Amino acid sequence: DAGVTQSPTHLIKTRGQHVTLRCSPISGHKSVSWYQQVLGQGPQFIFQYYEKEERGRGNFPDRFSARQFPNYSSELNVNALLLGDSALYLCASSLAVNYGYTFGSGTRLTVV
Amino acid sequence: ELKVEQNPLFLSMQEGKNYTIYCNYSTTSDRLYWYRQDPGKSLESLFVLLSNGAVKQEGRLMASLDTKARLSTLHITAAVHDLSATYFCAVDSQGGSEKLVFGKGMKLTVNP
Repeated sequence: DAGVTQSPTHLIKTRGQHVTLRCSPISGHKSVSWYQQVLGQGPQFIFQYYEKEERGRGNFPDRFSARQFPNYSSELNVNALLLGDSALYLCASSLAVNYGYTFGSGTRLTVV
Repeated sequence: ELKVEQNPLFLSMQEGKNYTIYCNYSTTSDRLYWYRQDPGKSLESLFVLLSNGAVKQEGRLMASLDTKARLSTLHITAAVHDLSATYFCAVDSQGGSEKLVFGKGMKLTVNP
């Protein structure tokens, strides 16, 4: 079975640009969460979606937005990129709360 | 606000030795997760602990959860070089969204 897949794997953008990151959850998983991991730190929660509805939002500016599609895949959008947005962006999917979370391999975003 | 603290943050140990690492969290939760991360890689799920007194073992690693003390331990038995990685604990905030709050991670180096 395919795990959580994320695309692209690496991305270089210029300050002020916009970026879209994509995530496909494990088949059957209806919950998708996004995390930002800055080098040397633990991941920080950005968004959680379940059945296409936003269930949680972390302490990130409005430049960050996300959505979940009918097939449960998800996109994370970041507008007006700043140098500080450079990080590993991780997507996690879950079957249900008590089953834990499976993380994708991440998208490494570099803003120059 | 839920805070998760890990200690130590850095550990260098010799092969064959035992050690216990700690994860404390600040508010009530009965769901705690341990993850492993290799350099440049994503998060690999190690343990899902869902109740007070839960104990799980996999190979040379054993994790336990004490929800009353808000403490989880990860015990390493007879360490081997392949265990070198960064270990994160994460606590489910249980606020209605499936939001994980991560510790800063413990970087483990096992020397031959």
